[in-house]
Amino acid sequence: AQSVTQLGSHVSVSEGALVLLRCNYSSSVPPYLFWYVQYPNQGLQLLLKYTSAATLVKGINGFEAEFKKSETSFHLTKPSAHMSDAAEYFCAVSLKAAGNKLTFGGGTRVLVKP
Amino acid sequence: KAGVTQTPRYLIKTRGQQVTLSCSPISGHRSVSWYQQTPGQGLQFLFEYFSETQRNKGNFPGRFSGRQFSNSRSEMNVSTLELGDSALYLCASKGGRAGDTQYFGPGTRLTVL
Repeated sequence: AQSVTQLGSHVSVSEGALVLLRCNYSSSVPPYLFWYVQYPNQGLQLLLKYTSAATLVKGINGFEAEFKKSETSFHLTKPSAHMSDAAEYFCAVSLKAAGNKLTFGGGTRVLVKP
Repeated sequence: KAGVTQTPRYLIKTRGQQVTLSCSPISGHRSVSWYQQTPGQGLQFLFEYFSETQRNKGNFPGRFSGRQFSNSRSEMNVSTLELGDSALYLCASKGGRAGDTQYFGPGTRLTVL
């Protein structure tokens, strides 16, 4: 069975600083990997996804993530935080063998300080 | 294209009642999945429907059920509501291929009193 671990339930960054959100997955076969963002009282919005093409994936709003098979990681980064990045971020994995359901990490809430 | 829509957005029910939530997927998407989001358990998969058939099911009691219609719209039903069923229920739709992105609706916030 697949699982996802997000290190840090809360992250605080200053505006303009690097945003780094960590995600590690457990899977016996290569997974599909996703990062979603959730703003208050809203659903989930896709930031980016990895589906076995390039290991460095660029997404919306300046975010990118790198798939590292040897480390079973898919960390999300953004070079310069903006106030509008304050939200909760979820890493998710899906496997064709598991019916493509999404298994989510616990989420990381990002606070951006002015 | 219009996104995934869910109705109603908010619901208040009392214990023992039942509730039906509705989801309209993105046009052309035949897969609809449902997820429950709570502060304690996070995001958990309930079930997936594809072409009117349940294709996958999570670890929830039989009180949670769903169905999908020929136009791909889906409903989720929870019977004999418990306090612990209070949650945000999210619906997601996607195309038919493995790895396709799941697009989420805004959710239905269910409060059980």
